[in-house]
Amino acid sequence: DQQVKQNSPSLSVQEGRISILNCDYTNSMFDYFLWYKKYPAEGPTFLISISSIKDKNEDGRFTVFLNKSAKHLSLHIVPSQPGDSAVYFCAASRPSGNTPLVFGKGTRLSVIA
Amino acid sequence: DAMVIQNPRYQVTQFGKPVTLSCSQTLNHNVMYWYQQKSSQAPKLLFHYYDKDFNNEADTPDNFQSRRPNTSFCFLDIRSPGLGDAAMYLCATSRDLAGYHEQYFGPGTRLTVT
Repeated sequence: DQQVKQNSPSLSVQEGRISILNCDYTNSMFDYFLWYKKYPAEGPTFLISISSIKDKNEDGRFTVFLNKSAKHLSLHIVPSQPGDSAVYFCAASRPSGNTPLVFGKGTRLSVIA
Repeated sequence: DAMVIQNPRYQVTQFGKPVTLSCSQTLNHNVMYWYQQKSSQAPKLLFHYYDKDFNNEADTPDNFQSRRPNTSFCFLDIRSPGLGDAAMYLCATSRDLAGYHEQYFGPGTRLTVT
């Protein structure tokens, strides 16, 4: 049973435009959400996170939005650059601290010059 | 640079032949994790160590074992690899267990079983 779902396996965006990557979760106990970025032949690297007490967190070109009532979060990249082409994983955690991150399957973003 | 290192990057083993994957970290983090990732799938946690305390995920097969002889090193042992164990194996570390602590991943070891 997938608790974290990324329903779009891939996304293509033109350079300079906005990329929107979506993530849905089913467990209302999740209280912290993270996005990781993965280039080929490298491990995932942390990108941005958001706590459930917030609905938005911004870091440069990257913004994560959280809609708790819809159990939905999204990552916005503006403007998109070719170097953003990678696989993006959404992950969620519960407050007990003893539980591991739950990852989605990832969305492959291609930014076309 | 502080980092998570995995060796080898590519490993080929024969069906049923034991194999060990290694991970080392220079971050001095308390927690080390092993994930299995198959193509187009989410990384699946196999187990983690908090310091010397080992935590096995309920659905991790007995075929998979782990050792952490010291803070810096952690090993994944696959006792009798099957064809279904072919995957990318990712090692990660974090300062603490709480979910808001960022995990740092190694580059992974791609295991092929022939």
